[in-house]
Amino acid sequence: ETGVTQSPTHLIKTRGQQVTLRCSSQSGHNTVSWYQQALGQGPQFIFQYYREEENGRGNFPPRFSGLQFPNYSSELNVNALELDDSALYLCASRREGLAGVEQYFGPGTRLTVT
Amino acid sequence: DQQVKQNSPSLSVQEGRISILNCDYTNSMFDYFLWYKKYPAEGPTFLISISSIKDKNEDGRFTVFLNKSAKHLSLHIVPSQPGDSAVYFCAAYSSGTYKYIFGTGTRLKVLA
Repeated sequence: ETGVTQSPTHLIKTRGQQVTLRCSSQSGHNTVSWYQQALGQGPQFIFQYYREEENGRGNFPPRFSGLQFPNYSSELNVNALELDDSALYLCASRREGLAGVEQYFGPGTRLTVT
Repeated sequence: DQQVKQNSPSLSVQEGRISILNCDYTNSMFDYFLWYKKYPAEGPTFLISISSIKDKNEDGRFTVFLNKSAKHLSLHIVPSQPGDSAVYFCAAYSSGTYKYIFGTGTRLKVLA
């Protein structure tokens, strides 16, 4: 069973640029969520996708958008990058419909905005 | 508005003793509560969860207690081992909004 993978591991971007982060869900999982974790903080929920549609969103502006593909992999897109977007971005997946709501996380992508 | 709070940023415990990590929440609509462990340079690892209709769940050395009237949950690790040294996050889930809300974490150090 393959776990959650994310790419790239690290990324440096300039303020105003756009970035795309990628996530492959754990085998058999149909729901994916994205999180932003700033230094010293807990993960902040950005949004969740189920069956290729966003079905939950945290307090993030529209310049944070996403996609889920038929194979349940996912992308997080961030437009007009700001310095405060520098953080660890985590992807988590789970199987909707099973008892329990535990998610399984990837290792994250460290984004630095300069 | 921090809906899930972990008020102790750090905790040190002697190997073999009990570690107790605490978490408070404000929203009575949460359906599930979860605990995750995080090592540096890795994503959080799921440990244990509890439904809001229960008051205790146990899995090996890990037990989670839920006190709904106090809006408080705790994770007990017995016996504590040096490998348990990590940052522990509690999280709350609402099935109405599909949202997971995480606390800020508690760094546990188990001393050999």
